[in-house]
Amino acid sequence: NAGVTQTPKFRVLKTGQSMTLLCAQDMNHEYMYWYRQDPGMGLRLIHYSVGEGTTAKGEVPDGYNVSRLKKQNFLLGLESAAPSQTSVYFCASGNGGTGELFFGEGSRLTVL
Amino acid sequence: AQSVTQPDIHITVSEGASLELRCNYSYGATPYLFWYVQSPGQGLQLLLKYFSGDTLVQGIKGFEAEFKRSQSSFNLRKPSVHWSDAAEYFCAVGAGYKLSFGAGTTVTVRA
Repeated sequence: NAGVTQTPKFRVLKTGQSMTLLCAQDMNHEYMYWYRQDPGMGLRLIHYSVGEGTTAKGEVPDGYNVSRLKKQNFLLGLESAAPSQTSVYFCASGNGGTGELFFGEGSRLTVL
Repeated sequence: AQSVTQPDIHITVSEGASLELRCNYSYGATPYLFWYVQSPGQGLQLLLKYFSGDTLVQGIKGFEAEFKRSQSSFNLRKPSVHWSDAAEYFCAVGAGYKLSFGAGTTVTVRA
């Protein structure tokens, strides 16, 4: 009964370092998303995927890359981290159509 | 473009009192509307959703919301708040596979 799982849950990076956040879902959903949550700004869509092997840009894609090599996994990469990328990152998945999303518990990233 | 406005950043309510959270949206067609709740340190959980039909929708945890097309609103209500309702609440609008979220309303419940 895992649903959507994100790893790691916490990470501290120095400016310029790289890292990857992993999202895994076990609900056989076609659609997967990465959001960032910042105080007073709600959730903003970074990238999303409508199926295995596809990715697309959301509202705030700059500085991030994603890959969806397997249907159940959606990776978010930061090639050269910046302090502006300090945030809480949420992965979500869904069936599309009705738009209902299922969220992971979040990954808190701090860039010093 | 679709967008959501939640006018209230923070609401404090006494336990047992009623609660209403406001949500206004902008969308070019018939919207799909959602309310999500986020407890501290957790991800978002769906409270309720509106797609079509009856404009008053019931959700989990005793919440309900009313869709008013003329006012472009989808306000969330609960008749009697419990301490466990302290959380952040997000309204969202969308269709297909893309949702837009409001900035959220934080609810504090006082004893």
